[in-house]
Amino acid sequence: ETGVTQTPRHLVMGMTNKKSLKCEQHLGHNAMYWYKQSAKKPLELMFVYNFKEQTENNSVPSRFSPECPNSSHLFLHLHTLQPEDSALYLCASSQEPAYQETQYFGPGTRLLVL
Amino acid sequence: AQSVTQLDSHVSVSEGTPVLLRCNYSSSYSPSLFWYVQHPNKGLQLLLKYTSAATLVKGINGFEAEFKKSETSFHLTKPSAHMSDAAEYFCVVQPQAQKLVFGQGTRLTINP
Repeated sequence: ETGVTQTPRHLVMGMTNKKSLKCEQHLGHNAMYWYKQSAKKPLELMFVYNFKEQTENNSVPSRFSPECPNSSHLFLHLHTLQPEDSALYLCASSQEPAYQETQYFGPGTRLLVL
Repeated sequence: AQSVTQLDSHVSVSEGTPVLLRCNYSSSYSPSLFWYVQHPNKGLQLLLKYTSAATLVKGINGFEAEFKKSETSFHLTKPSAHMSDAAEYFCVVQPQAQKLVFGQGTRLTINP
């Protein structure tokens, strides 16, 4: 999995903690995405970045704060999370956020909020 | 609005027998459709995608899918299952640029 990497792979945090998820893509892509995969629910798109600019926020609560310093790196800053935020968070990238463009996914960070 | 329904949450087949994973979509126009696979503790991997060039789409690892507009279906098939095919499979529709809509997933189990 050298295309899209995510760290950490597992994270346990309390509701008052602040933590960050990191994603890095080695594919030379310009678009990056955050998805949330909860148990028994379809994957949900959270954010989209194109050339470091946010182009989509899918009504995500403000306790999730994304950051894209360059086209290769994407962060998701977490603070004051709720237990229902426990999920697998997946990062993806594509050449551009265009129709029919294939998205390449990382292995995900499994988050548990206590 | 576009949506996708995977008709089976769990499919179990014996090794060497055919695989059929069913997917129906709703769309007001010709959609872009994908199948992704997710092995345990791994990210999603693209199996194949339909982009209106041909109705029968061949993917990796011997999988293929047929786009049937009259039935609004995009079922995934493989002639002979292998133990390594055990995974979660997602049918995906793309209603617009950058936005993918995922089905609930079908867990495929392969019996020896």
